[in-house]
Amino acid sequence: AQRVTQPEKLLSVFKGAPVELKCNYSYSGSPELFWYVQYSRQRLQLLLRHISRESIKGFTADLNKGETSFHLKKPFAQEEDSAMYYCALSPISSGSARQLTFGSGTQLTVLP
Amino acid sequence: NAGVMQNPRHLVRRRGQEARLRCSPMKGHSHVYWYRQLPEEGLKFMVYLQKENIIDESGMPKERFSAKFPKEGPSILRIQQVVRGDSAAYFCASSAADTQYFGPGTRLTVL
Repeated sequence: AQRVTQPEKLLSVFKGAPVELKCNYSYSGSPELFWYVQYSRQRLQLLLRHISRESIKGFTADLNKGETSFHLKKPFAQEEDSAMYYCALSPISSGSARQLTFGSGTQLTVLP
Repeated sequence: NAGVMQNPRHLVRRRGQEARLRCSPMKGHSHVYWYRQLPEEGLKFMVYLQKENIIDESGMPKERFSAKFPKEGPSILRIQQVVRGDSAAYFCASSAADTQYFGPGTRLTVL
């Protein structure tokens, strides 16, 4: 069975400071990792996925298989980054089942 | 594209009543997923459906819960004889391939 852990429920940083949201996972097979974000009064939306290896809104995340981590980072936080962030895992398989396993989320607040 | 639609957004039921939650996937999407979020927790997978087929229902409670995705019309998550522990936010997601797009959710409150 797979599990995703986000150890910080709440995280506050000042505008312009670096931010790192932690995510650790456990899964015996090959996982695909995602970060989803939910801004206030908006629906959950995909921020980035490790397979794409892209930077979205200045955020990056590197899959570290040795440490089974997928931390989300941004060098300079902005107030508009304040939101709930969820890390999620999906098994990589050729089958059709692609259920996501979510962490419990981290509420990021960027202070002015 | 209007995105994934869910209705109602809020639903109040008394214990023992039935709850029906609807999800209309994005245009062109044939995969639908249902997730449940209890307070202070992350989303938990319930069921994965394609048109007229249940592909994976490993996250569904064994009793009172059922889901369908008919050839025509929205996907329906049905909860019979609701109990207070069913109070949660229920999210639907749809996909054409890998990326899941989420609806706004239905918040169910059981009195």
